[in-house]
Amino acid sequence: DTAVSQTPKYLVTQMGNDKSIKCEQNLGHDTMYWYKQDSKKFLKIMFSYNNKELIINETVPNRFSPKSPDKAHLNLHINSLELGDSAVYFCASSQGGARVGKLFFGSGTQLSVL
Amino acid sequence: AQSVSQHNHHVILSEAASLELGCNYSYGGTVNLFWYVQYPGQHLQLLLKYFSGDPLVKGIKGFEAEFIKSKFSFNLRKPSVQWSDTAEYFCAVNTGNQFYFGTGTSLTVIP
Repeated sequence: DTAVSQTPKYLVTQMGNDKSIKCEQNLGHDTMYWYKQDSKKFLKIMFSYNNKELIINETVPNRFSPKSPDKAHLNLHINSLELGDSAVYFCASSQGGARVGKLFFGSGTQLSVL
Repeated sequence: AQSVSQHNHHVILSEAASLELGCNYSYGGTVNLFWYVQYPGQHLQLLLKYFSGDPLVKGIKGFEAEFIKSKFSFNLRKPSVQWSDTAEYFCAVNTGNQFYFGTGTSLTVIP
């Protein structure tokens, strides 16, 4: 079974649309994250949730809104998509709360905004 | 299914020892290869990457990795480790639009 799974793998959409990416982990971890991979392949943290509570919210546009219905799920909703949002988004989880534990990654969602 | 294997789960070295962390992948097509590092309590940082060209890639902090296509390997090396290299090291493979991370190797460097 996949430990951290995110869907969809590919997402192609028009500018201005609203879309969501879902993430689920079956590792029993307390903390989940969303990362954005830039064009140079650096991974930048966007959000972190611990037990359904937001603990990290880096400087991202407020068009991005994470939602954690329970500690095994962290979904990313994006409003009014822009060309610059095109990237690969990774979900991850770890045990450890505010201190980042060893990360386990999903396989990524390739978002293309046309 | 594609996979990335890091066979060394936990490595313990003394300072100044040489390091080699293994990474193997299972994909027959064109790949881009990466090593990321996660220092204790921090998020990932990119150490180095290989897209094409010279199979010996040099990264930050004295790390290098060699892509051996025939062995489907991309091992990470450093001639002389320091205590500050204590971290988790993740190998990752990009095939087309998919990214696959290894499960990581925990490196502990003893002063």
